[in-house]
Amino acid sequence: NAGVTQTPKFRILKIGQSMTLQCTQDMNHNYMYWYRQDPGMGLKLIYYSVGAGITDKGEVPNGYNVSRSTTEDFPLRLELAAPSQTSVYFCASSYYLSPDTQYFGPGTRLTVL
Amino acid sequence: AQSVTQLGSHVSVSEGALVLLRCNYSSSVPPYLFWYVQYPNQGLQLLLKYTTGATLVKGINGFEAEFKKSETSFHLTKPSAHMSDAAEYFCAVQTGANNLFFGTGTRLTVIP
Repeated sequence: NAGVTQTPKFRILKIGQSMTLQCTQDMNHNYMYWYRQDPGMGLKLIYYSVGAGITDKGEVPNGYNVSRSTTEDFPLRLELAAPSQTSVYFCASSYYLSPDTQYFGPGTRLTVL
Repeated sequence: AQSVTQLGSHVSVSEGALVLLRCNYSSSVPPYLFWYVQYPNQGLQLLLKYTTGATLVKGINGFEAEFKKSETSFHLTKPSAHMSDAAEYFCAVQTGANNLFFGTGTRLTVIP
């Protein structure tokens, strides 16, 4: 099993550009999550999904969109990039809901200039 | 509302010495508590978790943590530090169905 994979590893965007961060898991997990990690801070939940076709907002959803068309994939979309979105983004998945272990991908480091 | 406070953003210990990373939480309901470790340029990995039952929880790599309700604490310990323990450690609390609240992290340095 590859676990949770994320692409790209690094990306630099200009203000106003758009991009999609990809996340795929091969563990047949129902639940998937997107977090952002700012320097010196803990992770904050952006969006989560409890299954294909079902998503919901987390703590900091503004400026992002998600979709979940398959069990395996959970892409995160930035429509109009802003400097405040400079961060490291982590995707995670779990088989059950709380308090099941969440498995994290290696992260995408995004810089918006 | 729930929150997590990790005392000390940086902790340095000598190799072989006791590791103690502090975590206090606030929660209006019985919490689930977690410790995650993040090695450089990697995602987070679960060290251990407390859900119910025994308050002393053992995790991977020789780490353990004790849930103390009266002190609202969940400190992480390891009797003898190893160089490979150098990493960032995050305490997290979960009371709702789907949201983990993370502390700001403690970077552990192990001095040879």
